[in-house]
Formats: sequence, C-alpha cells, structure tokens
Amino acid sequence: GENVEQHPSTLSVQEGDSAVIKCTYSDSASNYFPWYKQELGKRPQLIIDIRSNVGEKKDQRIAVTLNKTAKHFSLHITETQPEDSAVYFCAASFQKLVFGTGTRLLVSP
Amino acid sequence: DVKVTQSSRYLVKRTGEKVFLECVQDMDHENMFWYRQDPGLGLRLIYFSYDVKMKEKGDIPEGYSVSREKKERFSLILESASTNQTSMYLCASSLLQGKDTQYFGPGTRLTVL
Repeated sequence: GENVEQHPSTLSVQEGDSAVIKCTYSDSASNYFPWYKQELGKRPQLIIDIRSNVGEKKDQRIAVTLNKTAKHFSLHITETQPEDSAVYFCAASFQKLVFGTGTRLLVSP
Repeated sequence: DVKVTQSSRYLVKRTGEKVFLECVQDMDHENMFWYRQDPGLGLRLIYFSYDVKMKEKGDIPEGYSVSREKKERFSLILESASTNQTSMYLCASSLLQGKDTQYFGPGTRLTVL
C-alpha cells in the first residue's frame, strides 16, 4: 500500500522567512496530492492540492511542487506570518488518501 | 458551506465498554471516513464508506467497526474499548472518491480508562 513520509517534524522560522516542507510517497500510481493545515484545537482544512499532470501550483504565498520521477512533493510558504503557525499534513492518493505524519510549523514574530 | 459534525468533543469511557462515535454531514456527500490522530503518527484511516450500507477497511481497522444506514450519518463503533484506543477521532466527508477535498469534523477526544 501507499506510504507517505514527511519532513521535518518541526520547523521554526522567523516572520518573513520562507518555510519548506517535503514529502515522499511510495505508490507511483498516486495522482492526487493535497496539503492540509490544522491550527491548534481545530479541524484540518485543505489549503492547496496538486494533481499529477501538473508540476507546480501557486496560491498567493503558498506553492506546491511535484516531482513524479522522484516521487516527492513539497509545500513552500513565502513571507511567513504568525498565523501560518500550525501543523501541516501532506497526503497522497490513488484511490484513498494516505497522510504524512505532520509538520509543526512555528513562526516567531 | 459543508458542515461535518461529531456527536461529542470529549468522551471518557472505561475499558471494555462499547463506544459509539457519530458523524453527520449535511452536503449529500457519498464518501465518509473515520481517522484517528495521534502525535507523531499523523492521520490514520480506520474505515471508510463510499455509499450507504457499504464499508471498507482502512489501514488500522482492528478493534473497530462502522455503520452507515443513512447517507448523511457514519458511525464508528468500539466493540470493547481498550486503553490503546485513547486518541483523537476525526470524521471526514467528500463529494468524489479519492481525488477530492475532504471536509473534517471537529474531532472527538476519547479517553479510555
């Protein structure tokens, strides 16, 4: 079955810096890669997703890149703000979603 | 706006009790999911359902069962609760299978004593 590895487990940055979270997946048939953000005490919410026919997707300060050959994908957050502090989960799907173990991002003012 | 609700935010049960966790969605979604969330382990799929009366095992189904008698409601059942089932349980729903946004409920933090 699919296995998704996510790194780092924790990431601390200063406000205004960039943050990068990386994930690798095992099933080459996976073709959908969403990212979820979970703020403290709240439910996970989708922030961006990418499908396997696209190499990069941007939405304001957030971007995701996908390398199908290497089977890895990354979340990039530019100009980080304190409200970006949360746990971020990557996931990969062919028929069902498999989540990574999460990255706790802390943005210090 | 999609709304997914769960019957309890916090629940405390004793070892051996039968526990029911209920999830309701109001957007006519076909697909519903139960996950458990543990620190360092992420979200792990317990069971899912793509249609009424249909259920499929996820990655960690042992010790759990589910029921989907109506499209909007998906119940997770712990037949005989054990301490290692202490966790946060999250329900989710989606319109399409596999490659679609999942909308999560607020979660139920279950403690088994």
